Amino acid sequence: QPVLTQSSSASASLGSSVKLTCTLSSGHSSYIIAWHQQQPGKAPRYLMKLESSGSYNKGSGVPDRFSGSGSGADRYLTISNLQSEDEADYYCETWNGNTQVFGGGTKLTVL
Amino acid sequence: QVQLVESGGGLVKPGGSLRLSCAASGFTFSDYYMSWIRQAPGKGLEWVSYISSSGSTTHYADSVKGRFTISRDNAKKSLYLQMNSLRAEDTAVYYCAGRGDFDYWGQGTLVSVSS
Repeated sequence: QPVLTQSSSASASLGSSVKLTCTLSSGHSSYIIAWHQQQPGKAPRYLMKLESSGSYNKGSGVPDRFSGSGSGADRYLTISNLQSEDEADYYCETWNGNTQVFGGGTKLTVL
Repeated sequence: QVQLVESGGGLVKPGGSLRLSCAASGFTFSDYYMSWIRQAPGKGLEWVSYISSSGSTTHYADSVKGRFTISRDNAKKSLYLQMNSLRAEDTAVYYCAGRGDFDYWGQGTLVSVSS
């Protein structure tokens, strides 16, 4: 089954951009992934689904500052013009016929 | 707007049972496959189970297989999770999620397993 690897933490300054990475395990580089955001004390929120081609579809109300891209087994979530409310945990997720898998999550700190 | 509202969580002793429910509104429930996902205190997200849109197919994480049962009632727009033989390590916030072209999350319900 697929495994997703994320850095445990990232930080960037208010108003800058940050690129978070989610890496699919060997043999699973074509999988679609989803990105979810979890602000402190809140439920997760769907951000987007991201294909290996780099095309993505965002959820309702997700700001234009959030975008996705991909290269090989890597999938990226880029947040531009960082705001304080972007400080959150970000999880990637994928699935196959009989399981769903989450990455360990990246804790983003906005400085 | 889309809403998923979980209920049924609470404090239960090891070996006990609980039944979680998730009420859906604002989207075509019968078109979506549905998942239960949990989050232990201070930990990341862990997939628990999913069920196909018709209810004919179900899958479970190894950690809950044989103890938990997922089901749905499309007429009532509701999702369920029957949890038996509960263990301390099942303590978590349980979220229901709708999975389709877009995903939707509920607000979660806390399950605490302790003597």
